Amino acid sequence: SQQGEEDPQALSIQEGENATMNCSYKTSINNLQWYRQNSGRGLVHLILIRSNEREKHSGRLRVTLDTSKKSSSLLITASRAADTASYFCATVIQGAQKLVFGQGTRLTINP
Amino acid sequence: EAGVAQSPRYKIIEKRQSVAFWCNPISGHATLYWYQQILGQGPKLLIQFQNNGVVDDSQLPKDRFSAERLKGVDSTLKIQPAKLEDSAVYLCASSLDRGSYEQYFGPGTRLTVT
Repeated sequence: SQQGEEDPQALSIQEGENATMNCSYKTSINNLQWYRQNSGRGLVHLILIRSNEREKHSGRLRVTLDTSKKSSSLLITASRAADTASYFCATVIQGAQKLVFGQGTRLTINP
Repeated sequence: EAGVAQSPRYKIIEKRQSVAFWCNPISGHATLYWYQQILGQGPKLLIQFQNNGVVDDSQLPKDRFSAERLKGVDSTLKIQPAKLEDSAVYLCASSLDRGSYEQYFGPGTRLTVT
């Protein structure tokens, strides 16, 4: 079964706007990772946040983690057409050294 | 640095036939993973190797799927016999070690079972 659930399932915004995607999970984790998947570059790791971290930045990406609510969010600022892709959160559950992926959010950036 | 290589990229077979996929991970990566990704879903882990040993195959349908990682480097995933529901993209990934490391994915093999 899927550990993480992304919300929304699909998101369409104008280029230059910010995009926010959310991920909820069920059990305690060691870390949470976000991945991007598009037809051109396949599945690519974006950012990893550990369970003792609350926020992390990487370029135009900002990830937050709230372990009390078992949720995370990914913010992409100043979106570009090249950001069009599916975004997945994946969790490493405590006691299990493997990634469990959610269903993903399909993001479309309109020019 | 060369990425994770997979072949073939595409495969079309009839149900009950067999098929094999090959993966070459990033050099020096101890952990290798095979995932199944059905259209519209996230990847699902099938099997995880640490060097040449299996550490997790709990979601591998062992009556028809098998995988090996000889010498702790390349890996093959086999399906025999294939079913219609096996149509999916099969992704291979590798990481430096287990757990809290990012995974690097190959381009995948798109399997269509007719």
